Amino acid sequence: GQNIDQPTEMTATEGAIVQINCTYQTSGFNGLFWYQQHAGEAPTFLSYNVLDGLEEKGRFSSFLSRSKGYSYLLLKELQMKDSASYLCAVRDSNYQLIWGAGTKLIIKP
Amino acid sequence: ETGVTQTPRHLVMGMTNKKSLKCEQHLGHNAMYWYKQSAKKPLELMFVYNFKEQTENNSVPSRFSPECPNSSHLFLHLHTLQPEDSALYLCASSHGTSDTGELFFGEGSRLTVL
Repeated sequence: GQNIDQPTEMTATEGAIVQINCTYQTSGFNGLFWYQQHAGEAPTFLSYNVLDGLEEKGRFSSFLSRSKGYSYLLLKELQMKDSASYLCAVRDSNYQLIWGAGTKLIIKP
Repeated sequence: ETGVTQTPRHLVMGMTNKKSLKCEQHLGHNAMYWYKQSAKKPLELMFVYNFKEQTENNSVPSRFSPECPNSSHLFLHLHTLQPEDSALYLCASSHGTSDTGELFFGEGSRLTVL
């Protein structure tokens, strides 16, 4: 079956750096997405990786290794507003999105 | 503001009630989706519409009935639901179903079945 694994919850300190990992086993691969979802709000698109390597976008970076079935989202200079759930999703060979259960990130002062 | 609007934001209904969830997108997209989001579980895809035609029904019980009158509007009709159907129902849209573009989500309708 198809599967996405990511930690259930992580805690980090304001101003620090945190890395949220995502491993996947899917039927084919047509890209990996990261979404951010604040409590009670819509998931919003953060990043898309289809080739190996690091994509940087401001304080957020996303890395992909297709051979390892692995990605991570790196958040730098953490702010309180970064407290949210982070969802990893992979598009398989049929262009279906396979979702992880999300990682709840708690930022402490 | 994601360009996808869902109403109502909150809904409480009894098991014998009939209600509907509404979704509208202002992005000119051709594909629309219904997802169910339960705590600590992955998003569950329920239905997909592409150019108003249903292209996916992921073994969803018949007590959930989708309707897509045009590419901008999507409904989810609910009847004789069960307490385990309590969840956040998210609507999303995208340019198409066979591309690599991202989904745009609404803020969801929080459903509680008593």
